[in-house]
Amino acid sequence: SQQGEEDPQALSIQEGENATMNCSYKTSINNLQWYRQNSGRGLVHLILIRSNEREKHSGRLRVTLDTSKKSSSLLITASRAADTASYFCATDAVGDYKLSFGAGTTVTVRA
Amino acid sequence: DVKVTQSSRYLVKRTGEKVFLECVQDMDHENMFWYRQDPGLGLRLIYFSYDVKMKEKGDIPEGYSVSREKKERFSLILESASTNQTSMYLCASSFQIRGDTEAFFGQGTRLTVV
Repeated sequence: SQQGEEDPQALSIQEGENATMNCSYKTSINNLQWYRQNSGRGLVHLILIRSNEREKHSGRLRVTLDTSKKSSSLLITASRAADTASYFCATDAVGDYKLSFGAGTTVTVRA
Repeated sequence: DVKVTQSSRYLVKRTGEKVFLECVQDMDHENMFWYRQDPGLGLRLIYFSYDVKMKEKGDIPEGYSVSREKKERFSLILESASTNQTSMYLCASSFQIRGDTEAFFGQGTRLTVV
């Protein structure tokens, strides 16, 4: 069953603006990951945050995790046209070794 | 770099045909997965394998089977293709480090069943 639910489903922003998307999940996790998918392609791993971490940065990406609310957010700062893609959160549940993905957020960055 | 290669980018098959989707990874990962992706539904797990000749059903295994005879290769089989199996199929492999699983995906196979 799907674990993560992303919000919003779609987002359209101007180049240079920040993009924020959220993910909620249901069960206890080892970690939460974010992936990007360019149109018609496979997914690429972006960032992983462990259950005992609250915030993590990687370049223009900032991820937060609130295990009490079972939610995470991904912030992309100073967006570029190349950031246009779908973004998925994936949860690595306790006692499991497979990832469960949400339906994704489609981000469009307008030039 | 990890490479996960799916045998076809696009495939068109007829209803009732037996269809094989092949996936090969070059990083000696124990775990391999098959997902299907449909608009608005995200990625749904069909089958996964944590070792050679081992397989586990995912969330939507009906109408599919898998084969893993060698560690690097994981095949998805549609025994008798139907139009509702038209979808994007994604293969992934993963390893665990310090208890964390990170997945590497192939480029996807867009299957159309007519």
